[in-house]
Amino acid sequence: ELKVEQNPLFLSMQEGKNYTIYCNYSTTSDRLYWYRQDPGKSLESLFVLLSNGAVKQEGRLMASLDTKARLSTLHITAAVHDLSATYFCAVDKRNNNDMRFGAGTRLTVKP
Amino acid sequence: AAGVIQSPRHLIKEKRETATLKCYPIPRHDTVYWYQQGPGQDPQFLISFYEKMQSDKGSIPDRFSAQQFSDYHSELNMSSLELGDSALYFCASSLKRGTRGYTFGSGTRLTVV
Repeated sequence: ELKVEQNPLFLSMQEGKNYTIYCNYSTTSDRLYWYRQDPGKSLESLFVLLSNGAVKQEGRLMASLDTKARLSTLHITAAVHDLSATYFCAVDKRNNNDMRFGAGTRLTVKP
Repeated sequence: AAGVIQSPRHLIKEKRETATLKCYPIPRHDTVYWYQQGPGQDPQFLISFYEKMQSDKGSIPDRFSAQQFSDYHSELNMSSLELGDSALYFCASSLKRGTRGYTFGSGTRLTVV
């Protein structure tokens, strides 16, 4: 069964600092996703990573994928308060319509 | 651009009642998914449809059923509601062979009292 583990589950950081969220998954998958969710809101797609070594960046967020290690990272650079949210990674296989989520990382950026 | 439309946004039901949630996917998206998210939990996959046929099934209770209609909208039917069914229910759509992430609707917040 496909399982997804994220760590840390809770992250409190100061503005201006850097940090990395990790996402491990249990079996071979075709696509890895990162989503952002604000409290009570929908999930916003941040990145879709399709191949080994893929790296994508958007603003202060950068995501990477190592399919051999079954590991993705979401790196936060010079955090700002607006980044406070819950970040989920998720994986699926191209022939399945069954995307599985990690438990989420609740990020709080303090001034 | 058109997004995934869900209705209603909020729903309050009593135990043992039934509820129907509706989802209108992005035009030309061929796959629809339903997820349940309890408070402080990650979204749990319930069921998906590809080209109006049931595709995959996750942790959907037997009390729940879903279908996708000829116009591609989907409905999640929930019967014999329990207090534990209170959650956010998200619908998402995508292109099966696409390279973009799923697009999620705003969700329906179901409260069972």
